Amino acid sequence: GIQVEQSPPDLILQEGANSTLRCNFSDSVNNLQWFHQNPWGQLINLFYIPSGTKQNGRLSATTVATERYSLLYISSSQTTDSGVYFCAVGKYNNNDMRFGAGTRLTVKP
Amino acid sequence: DTEVTQTPKHLVMGMTNKKSLKCEQHMGHRAMYWYKQKAKKPPELMFVYSYEKLSINESVPSRFSPECPNSSLLNLHLHALQPEDSALYLCASSQDRHDSYNEQFFGPGTRLTVL
Repeated sequence: GIQVEQSPPDLILQEGANSTLRCNFSDSVNNLQWFHQNPWGQLINLFYIPSGTKQNGRLSATTVATERYSLLYISSSQTTDSGVYFCAVGKYNNNDMRFGAGTRLTVKP
Repeated sequence: DTEVTQTPKHLVMGMTNKKSLKCEQHMGHRAMYWYKQKAKKPPELMFVYSYEKLSINESVPSRFSPECPNSSLLNLHLHALQPEDSALYLCASSQDRHDSYNEQFFGPGTRLTVL
């Protein structure tokens, strides 16, 4: 199956700082999603981005499918950005989506 | 509407109990999923239903029994669970398109404790 690696595993920031989270995957993929899991366990969809670049407010993401990686950028971080960020990937021919181990982000006031 | 609902939010059960988890979506999605998430780990796929038929079973023990009564509902029947089955159980749905856009949307989860 596809291997998904996320880095860094943990990240501690001061409020207002910027950060970049990385997701590497071992095979070509057709589906790639970034999620934020809040402290109550809810997985919140951030981006559906199998290729290209998207922006949503302070967050943006870029996927370079040919080089098998995706980046999530968080600018001007806020304490509410704390939580775990997951990258998940899959292929068109099945619904088997694989998650990376996640990046645990802590934003301090 | 991109909402997936799950009930109950919390469940405590003994090892001899039988209980069920429920999931519902009204987005017209034709694929529904069960994931299991242990503390400080990523979600792991358990089952996938595609057009109300079981399409993926990730070698899950038979004490977990999924059911898809219709395209909007997904159940997970639990029987004779072990304490190590305690986890957050997440339901998701997607359009089940195999040519393009197939974004998954997750419910809030059921936090299960087995005593």
